[in-house]
Amino acid sequence: DIVMTQSPLSLPVTPGEPASISCRSSQSLLHRKGYNNLDWYLQKPGQSPQLLIYLGSTRASGVPDRFSGSGSGTDFTLKISRVEAEDVGVYYCMQTLEAPITFGQGTRLEIK
Amino acid sequence: EVQLVESGGGLVQPGGSLSLSCAASGFVFTSYWIHWVRQVPGGGLVWVARVEADVSSTRYADSVRGRFTISRDNAKNTVFLQMRSLRAEDTAVYYCARSPDYSNSMDFWGQGILVSVSS
Repeated sequence: DIVMTQSPLSLPVTPGEPASISCRSSQSLLHRKGYNNLDWYLQKPGQSPQLLIYLGSTRASGVPDRFSGSGSGTDFTLKISRVEAEDVGVYYCMQTLEAPITFGQGTRLEIK
Repeated sequence: EVQLVESGGGLVQPGGSLSLSCAASGFVFTSYWIHWVRQVPGGGLVWVARVEADVSSTRYADSVRGRFTISRDNAKNTVFLQMRSLRAEDTAVYYCARSPDYSNSMDFWGQGILVSVSS
């Protein structure tokens, strides 16, 4: 199985400041067609997860442009350019390359 | 409006069985794969199973293979998760989620339903 490792696991951020979450996979997620099989999800408190980023860097419908995904192969990053109060929750990376689909442990973003 | 509504959860004894349903509406059901993902309260997300639009194609996590069966009824826009030989460690909130055909990116999730396995 592909192991997904996130860091940090806890991320306190001041509103208006940037934030960055790292995700590393145990094997390359790069498809031969050039895209990466890596998603980012946010689970806000008391809610179901929601898709933020797919194929490594494509924002899902309705996701603010302050969210961006980057990276390739085994190393990926989710960046929030300016954190807002509504961004609190747990962020997960997930590999979509093969079954079993696997998630990172989650990164809890909190507002300072 | 896209909707995925889970039902069938509840309390069951170890070794027992339970069947979850996921009723879909608001989109072309046969254009999507459907997944079950579970989450222990306070814990992370764990993928459980997937059924592709072609109902004969399914995949499972090792932890549930042989005990859980995922199926879908395309005429009723519903996916099922039949769970047998339940263990305490199966206790979790179970979410159904859809992904576009030939993709595993889950672009819409249900609200989740709690399954508790306890004597």
